[in-house]
Amino acid sequence: DGGITQSPKYLFRKEGQNVTLSCEQNLNHDAMYWYRQDPGQGLRLIYYSQIVNDFQKGDIAEGYSVSREKKESFPLTVTSAQKNPTAFYLCASSIGAGGIRRNEQFFGPGTRLTVL
Amino acid sequence: SQQGEEDPQALSIQEGENATMNCSYKTSINNLQWYRQNSGRGLVHLILIRSNEREKHSGRLRVTLDTSKKSSSLLITASRAADTASYFCATTTFTGANSKLTFGKGITLSVRP
Repeated sequence: DGGITQSPKYLFRKEGQNVTLSCEQNLNHDAMYWYRQDPGQGLRLIYYSQIVNDFQKGDIAEGYSVSREKKESFPLTVTSAQKNPTAFYLCASSIGAGGIRRNEQFFGPGTRLTVL
Repeated sequence: SQQGEEDPQALSIQEGENATMNCSYKTSINNLQWYRQNSGRGLVHLILIRSNEREKHSGRLRVTLDTSKKSSSLLITASRAADTASYFCATTTFTGANSKLTFGKGITLSVRP
């Protein structure tokens, strides 16, 4: 899982509550990403950030929010507006995302979120 | 939107056999990457092949890329039970100064001891 940590590993939430997933990296990477993984759907990009204090929506950003106040940290908040939040959430980082010829991503171990 | 499509969706082989997994994509790419995911864990990067390369090797892995057919294959030779995992192809496309990595749905590989 490289130098990326995600916490907690398992998270339970009641409907109507916001919850924040943590992602920290010590790889000195500029770019960070959040993906959602559902069975049989592969990975879908929620948000990404190429640099501190900047982030962009991915393919399924509705109901999610992020911040990037520090290079090492990229927390994801799953809001009550997300209609089907139960999923496996993966955080990743890469050296860069723009104009970089080698852009392989390093993933954290994931957080499994269950809405009760 | 799905860029990479892996084939087959599931593959079961005997230990010691070779495993071949395929990936097709729709639009021009800058590079193609293969990742591995053990059950309930994060993805691990295996190999990257650029659009101007045709074949790359890494240990027991061999990746080919045919840009005219928009397809790639991942070969794992002399498979082991520990190779049991899901394998994903991911394609990089560049739009201006930004790049986007798009993952396929994955192939589930089972290696029987």
